[in-house]
Amino acid sequence: DAGVIQSPRHEVTEMGQEVTLRCKPISGHDYLFWYRQTMMRGLELLIYFNNNVPIDDSGMPEDRFSAKMPNASFSTLKIQPSEPRDSAVYFCASSLNGDQPQHFGDGTRLSIL
Amino acid sequence: KQEVTQIPAALSVPEGENLVLNCSFTDSAIYNLQWFRQDPGKGLTSLLLIQSSQREQTSGRLNASLDKSSGRSTLYIAASQPGDSATYLCAVRTGNQFYFGTGTSLTVIP
Repeated sequence: DAGVIQSPRHEVTEMGQEVTLRCKPISGHDYLFWYRQTMMRGLELLIYFNNNVPIDDSGMPEDRFSAKMPNASFSTLKIQPSEPRDSAVYFCASSLNGDQPQHFGDGTRLSIL
Repeated sequence: KQEVTQIPAALSVPEGENLVLNCSFTDSAIYNLQWFRQDPGKGLTSLLLIQSSQREQTSGRLNASLDKSSGRSTLYIAASQPGDSATYLCAVRTGNQFYFGTGTSLTVIP
C-alpha cells in the first residue's frame, strides 16, 4: 500500500492568503486525522473523521481553519486567511478504526510570511 | 483535560544498552495507548498499541507496558542500535480525543 499521501510537502505563502492542504488516506481506513506539530506546542489533534463525517473538531484553533472529507479517499484542511502563527508541520493520519494504529503521512511544512 | 508527559526529553546511550522510556498520563480512563517513533522530517511511525484491557505488547526488541491505575507506560528497547535514534512519542485515547506527549529524543552512540 502507498501509505498516507499528503501534498504539498512544503508551502510558503504570505499572510492573508488561502492555504489548502491535501491528504489521501490508506484505502479501507475509516478514520482520518489532521494534526499540527510545532516546537512550542508539540503535536495537537485538530480534527478527525469517521466514514467521512467529522467526529471531533474541538482542536481546530479558530474559524479560519476548516476541514472537509468529500469522499473516503480525500480530505482537505484549509486556512483562510493565513497568519504567521499558523506556521507548523501539518500531518494527516488514517486508521482502520479508532482502536487501531494510526498511520501518518510525511506532513506538509507550512511557512506563513 | 488529559495531560501526557514524557521524561526525560532527551537521552543518549551507548550502542547495545537496554533502555526504558517513560510516559505518564493524568486521566486513567483511557481506551488505548500507542507508542510512535518520529525520524527528522518525517511523520510518525506506529510501534506498539496497547488496549486498555492489556498489560503489555511486544514487537521484536520492543516491549511496551501499561499500568492504567498509576497512569504510566514504559517502552523497553533491548540491545539498542544506532538505527533506533529518533524521537519517541506516546499517545493516549481518552473519550473522543487523542493526546500526545512531547516525546523523548533518543540518541544511540555507536
